[in-house]
Amino acid sequence: AQSVTQPDIHITVSEGASLELRCNYSYGATPYLFWYVQSPGQGLQLLLKYFSGDTLVQGIKGFEAEFKRSQSSFNLRKPSVHWSDAAEYFCAVGGAGGYQKVTFGTGTKLQVIP
Amino acid sequence: EAQVTQNPRYLITVTGKKLTVTCSQNMNHEYMSWYRQDPGLGLRQIYYSMNVEATDKGDVPEGYKVSRKEKRNFPLILESPSPNQTSLYFCASSSQTGSTEAFFGQGTRLTVV
Repeated sequence: AQSVTQPDIHITVSEGASLELRCNYSYGATPYLFWYVQSPGQGLQLLLKYFSGDTLVQGIKGFEAEFKRSQSSFNLRKPSVHWSDAAEYFCAVGGAGGYQKVTFGTGTKLQVIP
Repeated sequence: EAQVTQNPRYLITVTGKKLTVTCSQNMNHEYMSWYRQDPGLGLRQIYYSMNVEATDKGDVPEGYKVSRKEKRNFPLILESPSPNQTSLYFCASSSQTGSTEAFFGQGTRLTVV
C-alpha cells in the first residue's frame, strides 16, 4: 500500500532563513509526487509536482523540491522564507493509469518568526 | 475562474439530523473526491467519483453517502451525523485521478453536538 511520511509535525523558522520540509513516500511503481500548501481557512493549493525528468522541480512562490529515488524522498525547500509562507504543507503521492488514489501525508505546520 | 465551491463553509448540527454538504466544480473534471481533515491525521479520502453515476468508497466511508447525478456536482450526505464526524471537509476535483493537480474547495467545518 502506498504511504507518505512527513516526520516533522511543526517547524519554526526565522524570516529570511532557509527551509526544508521532509517527505518520504512508499509506492510500488513510478510515483507522481506533489506538494500542496494550505493557508489558514483555505483549501489546498498545488505548489509543485514531479513525475519524471529533472529531479529538481521548481514550483510557485519560490519553492522547489528534489526527488531522490534511492531515498524515497521528495523534500521541499525554499532559500529564504517570508512571513506569508506560514501555513501547513502536505506531501502527496499518486500514480498514472486507470484509477490511482492520491495519498496525503499528515502535514507539516510552518511557523515563521520575525 | 476555475474553482470548486463548497457550501456551507461552517455548520453546527445536532446528532442524528440529516445534512448535505454541496460541492460544485466548473472545470468539467471527471474525477471528484471528498476528504476529511483531522489534526494529526492529514487528509483521508471518504468517497470518490470517476464520472457521473460512478462512485466508490475511499478510506473512511462509514456514515457518509454521496451521489453524482451531474458531472459538476458531488454532494456529501450525512444521514445521521454523530460527534465523531466533527471535522473539516474538503471536496476536490481533477481531470485524472493520481497524476494531475487536484483543485480543492475552501472547506466546510462541521460540528456535530
